[in-house]
Amino acid sequence: GAGVSQSPSNKVTEKGKDVELRCDPISGHTALYWYRQSLGQGLEFLIYFQGNSAPDKSGLPSDRFSAERTGGSVSTLTIQRTQQEDSAVYLCASSSQGKWGEQYFGPGTRLTVT
Amino acid sequence: RKEVEQDPGPFNVPEGATVAFNCTYSNSASQSFFWYRQDCRKEPKLLMSVYSSGNEDGRFTAQLNRASQYISLLIRDSKLSDSATYLCVVNKGGSARQLTFGSGTQLTVLP
Repeated sequence: GAGVSQSPSNKVTEKGKDVELRCDPISGHTALYWYRQSLGQGLEFLIYFQGNSAPDKSGLPSDRFSAERTGGSVSTLTIQRTQQEDSAVYLCASSSQGKWGEQYFGPGTRLTVT
Repeated sequence: RKEVEQDPGPFNVPEGATVAFNCTYSNSASQSFFWYRQDCRKEPKLLMSVYSSGNEDGRFTAQLNRASQYISLLIRDSKLSDSATYLCVVNKGGSARQLTFGSGTQLTVLP
């Protein structure tokens, strides 16, 4: 079956612009996660959606970052007024009910802020 | 102190060798443990969950020592295709569904 997809695969933007990153989870997966990975660094948790529950936003680094998940499926991560330190690979993952730790990752969006 | 610590390596081993990776975690309330692998410039992929009693999946064996807050991964008869970065992953604590990823240990299996 289809895995997690993300778009765009690459995004170059100027400092101060807003960007939107999209994630399509595996069909039927109830949980969706966003992470970012800077060059040579580990994954940093950003936000987590589970079904219709309020999202866990505890990893968002600033109020410039927000995310939504519509219809329990597709999610969009928005970064406003981008800064150079936002440059990273943004990874989305989904997992099925009862197996939240077994996460399936998308290929990521490589964001470069110039 | 990092929440999850791993030796970054790199580990360079010949084909057929046995190699072991270690990981320590700081939150004694953590209950869920995993090993993921990440190939260069690719997304992480689940390798195996780690259970309290230890578990094996083919050439891979994972062990958990809760008292020492220590997790290990043993790879036997290593293959060229095992070359990757191995990520130790732990949940935030208790039943929290937030994962903390270690920075990874890089393995290169040489022909």
